Amino acid sequence: EVQLVESGGGLVQPGGSLRLSCAASEFAFSSFSMSWVRQAPGKGLEWVANIKQDGSEKFYVDSVKGRFTISRDNAKNSLYLQMNSLRAEDTAVYYCARGGYSYGSWGQGTLVTVSS
Amino acid sequence: QSALTQPASVSGSPGQSITISCTGSSSDVGSYNLVSWYQQHPGKAPNLVIYEVSKRPSGVSNRFSGSKSGNTASLTISGLQAEDEADYYCCSYAGGSAVFGGGTKLTVL
Repeated sequence: EVQLVESGGGLVQPGGSLRLSCAASEFAFSSFSMSWVRQAPGKGLEWVANIKQDGSEKFYVDSVKGRFTISRDNAKNSLYLQMNSLRAEDTAVYYCARGGYSYGSWGQGTLVTVSS
Repeated sequence: QSALTQPASVSGSPGQSITISCTGSSSDVGSYNLVSWYQQHPGKAPNLVIYEVSKRPSGVSNRFSGSKSGNTASLTISGLQAEDEADYYCCSYAGGSAVFGGGTKLTVL
């Protein structure tokens, strides 16, 4: 069974940074595009970023461009999201999802809270 | 990167059918047959129920079906059951990026 396990969430002050990680197992990680999707408390899903299988292409939602960086390490079966200059509106559960635009597998999510 | 438009809520009685619409633009829904639908129960991660407009993943009930016409995609759930009560989200490829709908709360009366 496909497993995606996020980590790295927590409480951070506005302007701060966090790095999220997603450990993948039970599938050929290097063969799939991967994505981050977030959900603010009580709100809907928002696509954040995706990355091609070999990391050659990355796309971001406009609201995080220049602040967030998606990356991957295929040797470690891991996906990352470096989040800088965090804002209150970035507060959300961040999900790691398998796929670039259609997500057959999701992690359990990690909560990021941006507050002073 | 505007969110796709879904009705905020729909409802139906057990055994009935409901349809949830998802309206985008020529930049997303209208240009690609890459619309997917997700079911999300409270406190849980989303679950894929339809991909590529009308395909069902293994294990998803055939009561779930999808279609598309122009810039609008639709999810139909037939033979409503209590367990179908959840939030539903559409998602479309948008030329590299992706965009979700705002979500629809389905209430089974």
